[in-house]
Amino acid sequence: AQSVTQLDSHVSVSEGTPVLLRCNYSSSYSPSLFWYVQHPNKGLQLLLKYTSAATLVKGINGFEAEFKKSETSFHLTKPSAHMSDAAEYFCVVSAANYGGSQGNLIFGKGTKLSVKP
Amino acid sequence: DSGVTQTPKHLITATGQRVTLRCSPRSGDLSVYWYQQSLDQGLQFLIHYYNGEERAKGNILERFSAQQFPDLHSELNLSSLELGDSALYFCASSVRTGANTGELFFGEGSRLTVL
Repeated sequence: AQSVTQLDSHVSVSEGTPVLLRCNYSSSYSPSLFWYVQHPNKGLQLLLKYTSAATLVKGINGFEAEFKKSETSFHLTKPSAHMSDAAEYFCVVSAANYGGSQGNLIFGKGTKLSVKP
Repeated sequence: DSGVTQTPKHLITATGQRVTLRCSPRSGDLSVYWYQQSLDQGLQFLIHYYNGEERAKGNILERFSAQQFPDLHSELNLSSLELGDSALYFCASSVRTGANTGELFFGEGSRLTVL
């Protein structure tokens, strides 16, 4: 079965320093992978998605992620953190490629990003 | 603002009761998805409707049911509520049926507290 593992439940960085949020996936097929962000008391918003095109995916707000099949990873990065980046980030795999129900997104446990001034 | 509207935002009720959560998708979106977010289970897919028809079921309890109406809004009905049903319930919508073909637009959720 497909799954995602977010390696850190909490990451703390200083404003202006790089951000790295780690995600590993498990899949027998080429997966569709996503990163979603959830700000406090808000719904989830798509940051970026990988669907077997370019392995380096650029998203909103300066975030990007690189799909590495050999490492089964899809880490999220940003060169310089901003205070407004403080939120919870979810790595997500779609079950739709595996005969699973379309729309069935499998979420990681989330990584809470704190940004210190 | 995602364009997905959920009501109520907060709901407090007692065990054994029944509640209905409502979702209005973005204009033009035919697919509606329901997700549950709890501290112990994280975010879990419950059910998916497309243009009024059920398309997929996830980890949805038999005490829970949903429907999508002709105007495309959806309702999630939770009955015989238990303490463990306390969670944030999200609705999401998309134009098409496949999550991997496009993004899902999430509402801000309905927070249910069962006392």
